[in-house]
Amino acid sequence: NAGVTQTPKFQVLKTGQSMTLQCAQDMNHEYMSWYRQDPGMGLRLIHYSVGAGITDQGEVPNGYNVSRSTTEDFPLRLLSAAPSQTSVYFCASSYVGSEQYFGPGTRLTVT
Amino acid sequence: DAKTTQPPSMDCAEGRAANLPCNHSTISGNEYVYWYRQIHSQGPQYIIHGLKNNETNEMASLIITEDRKSSTLILPHATLRDTAVYYCIASYSGGYQKVTFGTGTKLQVIP
Repeated sequence: NAGVTQTPKFQVLKTGQSMTLQCAQDMNHEYMSWYRQDPGMGLRLIHYSVGAGITDQGEVPNGYNVSRSTTEDFPLRLLSAAPSQTSVYFCASSYVGSEQYFGPGTRLTVT
Repeated sequence: DAKTTQPPSMDCAEGRAANLPCNHSTISGNEYVYWYRQIHSQGPQYIIHGLKNNETNEMASLIITEDRKSSTLILPHATLRDTAVYYCIASYSGGYQKVTFGTGTKLQVIP
């Protein structure tokens, strides 16, 4: 199993650009989530999904969109990047009610 | 999910036991206590979880008080590689859930 994979590992965007962070898992987990981690801070939940076609907002959803068309994939879209979205983004997956497995992260800089 | 409170930082001498406390005074009866750790800027890694009984695995032990309002993660023989941020989370064991992380405890293992 590859576990949870994230692409790209690094990304630099200009203000106003859009992009999609990719997340995939091969463990048939129902639950997937996106977190952001700012320097020296804990993880904050952006969006999560409990199955294909079902998504919901976390603590800091503004500026981000998600969709879950398959069990395996949970992409995170930034519609119009802002410097405040400079952060490290982690994707995670789990069986519902079980421990989460995290990806290696995407380091995003918005200039 | 119940809110958890952890000290921001702790030191531990190499080879000694590291005891990391967590307060979760508002935890409900069907919420488990989960512990994760994050080494450098990697994705968080699951350590252990429990409901009300003490738990032990190859990484650590988890001691939960009888009233379930607090718990302690024990690393029996801390090594330099255990230097990390440790997160304590209260999360439902089943059904739909929104898992949030706090800021954790930064454990520094000292040679």
